[in-house]
Amino acid sequence: GENVEQHPSTLSVQEGDSAVIKCTYSDSASNYFPWYKQELGKRPQLIIDIRSNVGEKKDQRIAVTLNKTAKHFSLHITETQPEDSAVYFCAASRSGSARQLTFGSGTQLTVLP
Amino acid sequence: DAGVIQSPRHEVTEMGQEVTLRCKPISGHDYLFWYRQTMMRGLELLIYFNNNVPIDDSGMPEDRFSAKMPNASFSTLKIQPSEPRDSAVYFCASSPLGLAGGRTGELFFGEGSRLTVL
Repeated sequence: GENVEQHPSTLSVQEGDSAVIKCTYSDSASNYFPWYKQELGKRPQLIIDIRSNVGEKKDQRIAVTLNKTAKHFSLHITETQPEDSAVYFCAASRSGSARQLTFGSGTQLTVLP
Repeated sequence: DAGVIQSPRHEVTEMGQEVTLRCKPISGHDYLFWYRQTMMRGLELLIYFNNNVPIDDSGMPEDRFSAKMPNASFSTLKIQPSEPRDSAVYFCASSPLGLAGGRTGELFFGEGSRLTVL
């Protein structure tokens, strides 16, 4: 089955700096890669996703890049703000959708004011 | 829409007792998922349904776990008998059917049910 590894497990940045979280996946057939944000004590929520037919996608301060050859994808957050502090999960699926997602272990991002 | 609704939010029980977690998905969503979240294992998919039919239950850890979806607006996850290692947050999520474009692959999670088995 799919295996998704996520790094780093914890990340601290100063407000205004950029943050990068990286994930690798094992199944070359995976074609859908979402990122979820989970604030403390809350539910995970989708923040951005990318499919294998594109290499990059951007939504305001958030961007995701995908390298299918190397089987890795990354989340980039620019101009970080304290409200970006949360646990971020990457995931991968070969179904092209939310079916059978395999999640990474999560990254605790702390934005220091 | 009120979103995915789960109950109870918190459950504390003793080893050996039966536990039933409940979920009401977002109306119109074709898929329903049960996930378990622990510090050690992260978010794990237990089972998912499509149009009330279980599709993949390969993530269900043992026969002590069972899930049902008797209709489009209700699902249960039952643990019988419960054990301390079942302590976790159990999330229900629903998703609309869709394979192309936009955010149609999105999982909409409930608030979760925090289970503690003593």
